[in-house]
Amino acid sequence: AQSVAQPEDQVNVAEGNPLTVKCTYSVSGNPYLFWYVQYPNRGLQFLLKYITGDNLVKGSYGFEAEFNKSQTSFHLKKPSALVSDSALYFCAVRGFSGGYNKLIFGAGTRLAVHP
Amino acid sequence: GAVVSQHPSWVICKSGTSVKIECRSLDFQATTMFWYRQFPKQSLMLMATSNEGSKATYEQGVEKDKFLINHASLTLSTLTVTSAHPEDSSFYICSAMGLAGGGLTGELFFGEGSRLTVL
Repeated sequence: AQSVAQPEDQVNVAEGNPLTVKCTYSVSGNPYLFWYVQYPNRGLQFLLKYITGDNLVKGSYGFEAEFNKSQTSFHLKKPSALVSDSALYFCAVRGFSGGYNKLIFGAGTRLAVHP
Repeated sequence: GAVVSQHPSWVICKSGTSVKIECRSLDFQATTMFWYRQFPKQSLMLMATSNEGSKATYEQGVEKDKFLINHASLTLSTLTVTSAHPEDSSFYICSAMGLAGGGLTGELFFGEGSRLTVL
């Protein structure tokens, strides 16, 4: 069965410091991986995806993620955090069940960036 | 980028009434739409997958008679919470997958969510 794990409920970072939000996955075959961000009382916004190609994927708002097949990880990173990056972040993997492709989300990690 | 509009953003209703939430893809045709439910401080729970012109596929544990989903056109899917009760209060989010590219190699586009409060 496909699954995604985000081991940290919350990550605290000082503004200007690098940030990492962790994600590990379990899927048969080649993984299709995604990161989304959610602000309070809003829907999800797409940040980036890994389908194939370079292991380092660059996305919106200066975020990037590194695909590591041996560690089955897809950690989200940013070199210098902003207070405005504070939000809820979801990692997702494509799964297939019931005859359909669907996204399976992790539990989410709340990122708090302090001034 | 592609836009998915969800309406209403907020709705308060009395117990026993029905509430309809609309999800529209504004600038692309969505063959498949997904409905999620999100509890406070929790992840998204997929409720059902709807395909244009066919019956929705519900996830295990989701009552299909309670949560009616209709996907009558390539740009509109609706979720109706029938005979709503306080435990149905939640944040409901729809997402749409476009025609181009096929499958899920592309990202999903999400609506802004609808917060339902049942009194």
